Amino acid sequence: EAQVTQNPRYLITVTGKKLTVTCSQNMNHEYMSWYRQDPGLGLRQIYYSMNVEVTDKGDVPEGYKVSRKEKRNFPLILESPSPNQTSLYFCASSPIFGKPYGYTFGSGTRLTVV
Amino acid sequence: AQTVTQSQPEMSVQEAETVTLSCTYDTSENNYYLFWYKQPPSRQMILVIRQEAYKQQNATENRFSVNFQKAAKSFSLKISDSQLGDTAMYFCAFMKGVGSGSRLTFGEGTQLTVNP
Repeated sequence: EAQVTQNPRYLITVTGKKLTVTCSQNMNHEYMSWYRQDPGLGLRQIYYSMNVEVTDKGDVPEGYKVSRKEKRNFPLILESPSPNQTSLYFCASSPIFGKPYGYTFGSGTRLTVV
Repeated sequence: AQTVTQSQPEMSVQEAETVTLSCTYDTSENNYYLFWYKQPPSRQMILVIRQEAYKQQNATENRFSVNFQKAAKSFSLKISDSQLGDTAMYFCAFMKGVGSGSRLTFGEGTQLTVNP
């Protein structure tokens, strides 16, 4: 089954404790992206990657890191989480070529930083 | 930069009735795509319908249809014969360009409740 797999689904952590949210896709998509969803703000892009070793900032990159060492994986790293990073996070992927049919999304990670 | 605005934070409709969700966007691009996504309580993001800007014909998917007004930069979603399973958050989204691999810009979302 074609899918984007995100883990964990829920995560509660304390301020300053480094964490990683994993994302993996099995569709050989070139493009991958991370979004955060907050009430009244919709989904905002954090980082994206057009291919292996190619990453770039989205609209709200502060406090986040990403890496793209393999085509299928695109982890999101919070080096020192703060309470304002409490949010619902989505990983998504799409091919680069051809007509866009939107993204394939992961099932989301609900992060709470206390 | 593109912006997408959904001016209705919440809406409700009776089962079997029709409801229209509004979306406006701002862009200087001529080639772009518009999408509506549904997010039920399971929080999965589900593509409902897409519209190519160069196509004048409005997209339709079963009970879901859009009213695309390019000059007015408006892209509303009409849900006919509403069902309880349509209860969800709905997001309007914009993607520029003629190919994939471009940023999806989302609106704030509209929470739709279908009442029995």
